[in-house]
Amino acid sequence: DGGITQSPKYLFRKEGQNVTLSCEQNLNHDAMYWYRQDPGQGLRLIYYSQIVNDFQKGDIAEGYSVSREKKESFPLTVTSAQKNPTAFYLCASSMTDRVTEAFFGQGTRLTVV
Amino acid sequence: AQTVTQSQPEMSVQEAETVTLSCTYDTSESDYYLFWYKQPPSRQMILVIRQEAYKQQNATENRFSVNFQKAAKSFSLKISDSQLGDAAMYFCAYRTPTLLGAQKLVFGQGTRLTINP
Repeated sequence: DGGITQSPKYLFRKEGQNVTLSCEQNLNHDAMYWYRQDPGQGLRLIYYSQIVNDFQKGDIAEGYSVSREKKESFPLTVTSAQKNPTAFYLCASSMTDRVTEAFFGQGTRLTVV
Repeated sequence: AQTVTQSQPEMSVQEAETVTLSCTYDTSESDYYLFWYKQPPSRQMILVIRQEAYKQQNATENRFSVNFQKAAKSFSLKISDSQLGDAAMYFCAYRTPTLLGAQKLVFGQGTRLTINP
């Protein structure tokens, strides 16, 4: 089945540690996105990418990094520089056709302990 | 920068009634795409409806329809015959077209919809 997979579903991190969230899609989509969602709030864009080896900062990129070495994969690293990393993280992908919607993964809940 | 605003943090409606969720956006572009997504308690994002800015006709998907007012930069969602399964967070989203380079998909703050039986 085609889809977009995020792992792990739950992640715990100690303060000062970097952690990487995985996002893989087999939909042959060109564009991929990372969002952060805090309780009761909307989705805020962290990074997005249209093609391999190219990505752009979103609205809240500070403290995060990404890579796009393969079309199927767009991992997000939450670095120790991110002051408040506890949140729900969503990955999405889409074609670049005119009206195609984005498909989302199930999300990763990151908690700093 | 493009922004999307949903001014209603919470809405409630009686089952079988009609409810309208508001969304406004800010952009200098003439061509773009608009979406409404639903996020139930499972937190899985589900597409509800989509609209291309160059199309004047309002999109409709079964009980869901939009009122797209391009000049006013308004994109409201109407849910008719509300059902208990419609209870969720609803997000309005804006996307830039491919011609402008990497597509940026921006979301509003969301509206929590409660259905009263």
